[in-house]
Amino acid sequence: DQQVKQNSPSLSVQEGRISILNCDYTNSMFDYFLWYKKYPAEGPTFLISISSIKDKNEDGRFTVFLNKSAKHLSLHIVPSQPGDSAVYFCAASAMDSSYKLIFGSGTRLLVRP
Amino acid sequence: DAGVIQSPRHEVTEMGQEVTLRCKPISGHDYLFWYRQTMMRGLELLIYFNNNVPIDDSGMPEDRFSAKMPNASFSTLKIQPSEPRDSAVYFCASSPTMLGNEKLFFGSGTQLSVL
Repeated sequence: DQQVKQNSPSLSVQEGRISILNCDYTNSMFDYFLWYKKYPAEGPTFLISISSIKDKNEDGRFTVFLNKSAKHLSLHIVPSQPGDSAVYFCAASAMDSSYKLIFGSGTRLLVRP
Repeated sequence: DAGVIQSPRHEVTEMGQEVTLRCKPISGHDYLFWYRQTMMRGLELLIYFNNNVPIDDSGMPEDRFSAKMPNASFSTLKIQPSEPRDSAVYFCASSPTMLGNEKLFFGSGTQLSVL
C-alpha cells in the first residue's frame, strides 16, 4: 500500500506557463514533505520542502502548497523553463517512523519550448 | 567532495547469478540509505545504516537481498540469487542527519538488468 501517491505519471507544459505537480498521502502522521528532482542518468536532488505547520513554502520559481485536511500537496513552477524537464518525486516523513523518507512514484514533466 | 559514488553504473547479469552493488557515501555523513526505483513503485527504501549499523531493513524484499557497511566509507548491496524481477535502478544516498532528510544526497544509481 503506497502511502505517497503521484497519480499523474507525466505532464506536458508550454514554456513560460505554470506547471502544477500533485501528490497525495494517506498517513496522517507525516509531518515533513519534500520534492526531489531527477534528471536522466542522475540521482534525485533535493528541490524544496515544507513542514506540516505551514501551508506554503516558496523558493524562487518553486512553491509548495500543503493541504493537510485533504492530505494533498502540490508543487508549482512559475514560469516553467525547458531545463525544468525532469522527473519530480514527492516524499514524506514522520517522526514516529524515524523520519524515513517515503517517496511517490514520480511525475515526468516536459516543458515544451 | 565527489558526492555519493556508486558502482557499477550498469550491470547486466543472468538469473541466478550473484550481484553486488557498491557505494561510497559522502565523507562525514552518518546515515546511508539504499533505495530501489521501479516504474510501478517509484523509490522504495530498502535499508538504512547509522554509523555503519543497520537500523531498519524492513524494506528489503526477500532474504536474497543483503546489505553491509563494513566501514564509514563503503557499503554493499548484494542479491543472491538474482531474478528478473530485481531489474531496477538501485540508488545509494547519504545524509549527515536523519531529521527531515532534506539533506539526502543520492548517487547516480546502478541500472540492474537481470535476464
